[in-house]
Amino acid sequence: NAGVMQNPRHLVRRRGQEARLRCSPMKGHSHVYWYRQLPEEGLKFMVYLQKENIIDESGMPKERFSAEFPKEGPSILRIQQVVRGDSAAYFCASSMVTDTQYFGPGTRLTVL
Amino acid sequence: GIQVEQSPPDLILQEGANSTLRCNFSDSVNNLQWFHQNPWGQLINLFYIPSGTKQNGRLSATTVATERYSLLYISSSQTTDSGVYFCAVSDNAGNNRKLIWGLGTSLAVNP
Repeated sequence: NAGVMQNPRHLVRRRGQEARLRCSPMKGHSHVYWYRQLPEEGLKFMVYLQKENIIDESGMPKERFSAEFPKEGPSILRIQQVVRGDSAAYFCASSMVTDTQYFGPGTRLTVL
Repeated sequence: GIQVEQSPPDLILQEGANSTLRCNFSDSVNNLQWFHQNPWGQLINLFYIPSGTKQNGRLSATTVATERYSLLYISSSQTTDSGVYFCAVSDNAGNNRKLIWGLGTSLAVNP
């Protein structure tokens, strides 16, 4: 049973470009979560999604960030017009209805 | 919201030593997980333990929910145990499943 998959593992963007991060949950998992880890810090919740629905986006910045989890395909975290402060590790997790969240390997975003 | 505090912030051990890491949380929780972030940045699930005691090899964890703390025990430490250990909790009230994270304990195990 494959774990949570994220791609790309590393992403480099110049200021002003768009970043798209993908997450495929574990088989059978219908809940997806995105977290961000800034350098030398713990993780911070961004958004919680189920198929075709955003359940909790209380941790998402109000501008430039969006997330989706379509009926088919991976969940996407999209960052428009990236700035240097967006440089971080972005982790995706998935779970079944019960509570244990399993994490992917993360995407390291570097904004030049 | 729930606050999570971990101690100690840093720990240096000689290989073979034992250690106890602590996680305090400020409110009732229905989900508590311990993670190990290895030096390559990967997050590894250690325990899902909102209450009770669990053991997995050299690692064990105990959560006393009524007193709002959890302990992670590492016995006979190895250099591969190095990294950052995080505690994360959620109260799972309603649709709230977001994990609130402590700042971690950074562990270095020297040969």
